[in-house]
Amino acid sequence: QKEVEQNSGPLSVPEGAIASLNCTYSDRGSQSFFWYRQYSGKSPELIMSIYSNGDKEDGRFTAQLNKASQYVSLLIRDSQPSDSATYLCAVNIILFQGAQKLVFGQGTRLTINP
Amino acid sequence: GAVVSQHPSRVICKSGTSVKIECRSLDFQATTMFWYRQFPKKSLMLMATSNEGSKATYEQGVEKDKFLINHASLTLSTLTVTSAHPEDSSFYICSAFSPGLVWNNEQFFGPGTRLTVL
Repeated sequence: QKEVEQNSGPLSVPEGAIASLNCTYSDRGSQSFFWYRQYSGKSPELIMSIYSNGDKEDGRFTAQLNKASQYVSLLIRDSQPSDSATYLCAVNIILFQGAQKLVFGQGTRLTINP
Repeated sequence: GAVVSQHPSRVICKSGTSVKIECRSLDFQATTMFWYRQFPKKSLMLMATSNEGSKATYEQGVEKDKFLINHASLTLSTLTVTSAHPEDSSFYICSAFSPGLVWNNEQFFGPGTRLTVL
């Protein structure tokens, strides 16, 4: 089982609609969860982080975390063509002696159609 | 704040040569830096974790003698791809982490280096 799994898509959503991106993870001890947006040829850009169960809203973005189900999601409201990108889910894995690493899902390609 | 730079942004080299990529934290001290590699249409794969003043920890399957990592100061880590071959062509991205900067384990990513080996 992969540590972090996402539906690779592509996901196509009409402009103005809600885009829903999902992610599951295997490490029950994980405490930090991130959503990154990556445009082609560019480095990932952090758009949301979440640490507690429930919803966290920031502008048009809402992250949802359910630790019992080991599930993280990202909702994008009022989708815009500029939201078209690959969205990467990342989970912070705590290793021994305090070391840690960020494990990425395979990413979901999102296309917003005008 | 929390800006990470990489140099060069793009490099083309001949097969068999070595290439050095620099990763700098510009406005904070990074105790830990991470090096990732990303092939086209694939996700980021962690290559190694670099702690200032100590040897890097490599992920399984990453050759430490081929990908030399040096983290000599709290603001600079370097990745040297030795004897590069076409299969090493990829997008290399570094990130930096400082536990004193944020409490939420956030990493700050550099802009990436596109390596093409001919």
